[in-house]
Formats: sequence, structure tokens, C-alpha cells
Amino acid sequence: SAVISQKPSRDICQRGTSLTIQCQVDSQVTMMFWYRQQPGQSLTLIATANQGSEATYESGFVIDKFPISRPNLTFSTLTVSNMSPEDSSIYLCSTQVGGSLFFGSGTQLSVL
Amino acid sequence: AQSVTQLDSQVPVFEEAPVELRCNYSSSVSVYLFWYVQYPNQGLQLLLKYLSGSTLVKGINGFEAEFNKSQTSFHLRKPSVHISDTAEYFCAVSDPGGYQKVTFGTGTKLQVIP
Repeated sequence: SAVISQKPSRDICQRGTSLTIQCQVDSQVTMMFWYRQQPGQSLTLIATANQGSEATYESGFVIDKFPISRPNLTFSTLTVSNMSPEDSSIYLCSTQVGGSLFFGSGTQLSVL
Repeated sequence: AQSVTQLDSQVPVFEEAPVELRCNYSSSVSVYLFWYVQYPNQGLQLLLKYLSGSTLVKGINGFEAEFNKSQTSFHLRKPSVHISDTAEYFCAVSDPGGYQKVTFGTGTKLQVIP
């Protein structure tokens, strides 16, 4: 298994600003994943982050809007840039161990 | 690409009654299947998983699920629910092997009524 500490747990931000979400894993992992969960909806994969290489983004998500860093095997950040109210969601980081995904506790973002 | 369908968006059930949450996936030669639970204002927690072997999988908190290849289903069951089981439940599927993309269903909200 893996334990992931994610912060902040929630934030309220103004339109046009940026927020960086951090995730720390209790062990070294090859890949980390960032998901978005819009209100009342399921999880959508934003991107996959490998240490030492650029993140791979899913259709509909771009690096300029959601830059990701992966400086080492236990840490990753996701930035939500130039935010608009449509970015209000829960953002979750995760990693895969033994075929199963383990998640951080999520960041609930509200954009005014 | 894999897909998964959760037919029920909400399931109300009385406390101590049995419950079944339904999940169907798109057919494939082989799959990994998962159920996750999300309590209010929390991340997702793995309930159980099917990777291979026995089709009846037992998980935490008294939940179990049965993998049915012919019906491409992976329904979640609990013989007697508690108030604390009130949460949202997500079925998920992936291709087998390491670091495969996991696709989630739309979720089922289980409401346990005292």
C-alpha cells in the first residue's frame, strides 16, 4: 500500500490566480496520477507524472493550465493556473501499488 | 479503452438490510476490477479488488464482490449495512499489468436509513 499526504485540503481562490497542490508519498513510487472530480461526477484523469520526465496529459488537459512537477520519487505538485469558476472541483493525487490505486485525501477548490 | 457503468446513481437502504451495488464493464479478454469508497470530504479508499483467481472477492468492512465474466459484471454486496456505510461507491476497471490507466464509473451514493 501507499500513504499519500495531500495539501491543502481545501482553498477558496479568486478568478485569475493559481493554486499549487502538493502530494507526498510515504515510499518511492514510479508514477503518480492526478485526477479531477467535478461536483457530482466521477474521477477524470488529468495527467500521469513520471519522475525525470514530462507529465503525460489526457485529452482535454494541457500543460499550460495544469503544470505538474515530479522532482523525486516521493513528491509531486499540480498547479491549477489562471483559475476560473469552472475549475471548482476536488483534485486528487494517487499512485499505483500492486495494481491498485491509492489516493491522497483530496483538495477541494472553490474559485470565485 | 475500458469503460464501466454503474446503473444506480443512488441507493437508499434501511440499516441492517442487505445491499447490492451494480457495476458492468466493457468486455475484454482480461481486466482488473476495483471498488472504492469515498466518505464525505475524503479521498477514495480501496474496498476490494479482483486481479485474478477466485471470482468471489472479499474486502474491508464486510463487503464482497463477484466477478462474472459472462455477464461482464462486478457487483458489490453486503449482507447487513450500517449507518457508517453511507458513502459514495465507485467501480473501476483497468487492463491488467502494471501502471495501466484506471477508468472509474460515475459512482453510486449509498444512503443507509436508520
